[in-house]
Amino acid sequence: SQKIEQNSEALNIQEGKTATLTCNYTNYSPAYLQWYRQDPGRGPVFLLLIRENEKEKRKERLKVTFDTTLKQSLFHITASQPADSATYLCALGGSQGNLIFGKGTKLSVKP
Amino acid sequence: GAVVSQHPSRVICKSGTSVKIECRSLDFQATTMFWYRQFPKQSLMLMATSNEGSKATYEQGVEKDKFLINHASLTLSTLTVTSAHPEDSSFYICSPAKTSGGADTQYFGPGTRLTVL
Repeated sequence: SQKIEQNSEALNIQEGKTATLTCNYTNYSPAYLQWYRQDPGRGPVFLLLIRENEKEKRKERLKVTFDTTLKQSLFHITASQPADSATYLCALGGSQGNLIFGKGTKLSVKP
Repeated sequence: GAVVSQHPSRVICKSGTSVKIECRSLDFQATTMFWYRQFPKQSLMLMATSNEGSKATYEQGVEKDKFLINHASLTLSTLTVTSAHPEDSSFYICSPAKTSGGADTQYFGPGTRLTVL
């Protein structure tokens, strides 16, 4: 069955550093992969989408890479700020148009 | 981004009662509605998919008679948890979509925290 792993349950970094989150998947060949931000008690908020034929996507301080050979996506936040503290979810497109989510990585950015 | 509302945001009920959760897409017509639930420290798990005017399709392990979904219009879908039990306590999130598949961007409601005593 399809499996998505975000290898760190939690990540603590210092303000100003680059946060790098990892998402690995198995038994699947997604057409696209998405990253979401989720704050406590809130629904996910869409951040970036990257398609299988794209290697990298950027949006302001965010950068996503997608390696379909390694079945891995990396999510980077440069010049991190305490306001970036949240849980970040990766998600793959399901067969019905739904999303299959990883458990998320809780990022804490310390001032 | 699209505006999605859920009501109520939080509900506490006694075991055995039924709870209705409403999800509205405020600025676009949702032909498809996905309902997810999320247990603490777990990923969002798809419960069911409904298309406007059709019966919902439930994921394996989700009881269709317990979780009633009504998608009567393109802007409103409801999830009713019937005869709720403590194990149904979870965070329920709706996600309306404009098309039935291959959506580039999906929008999510703010979620409903259900606590069953």
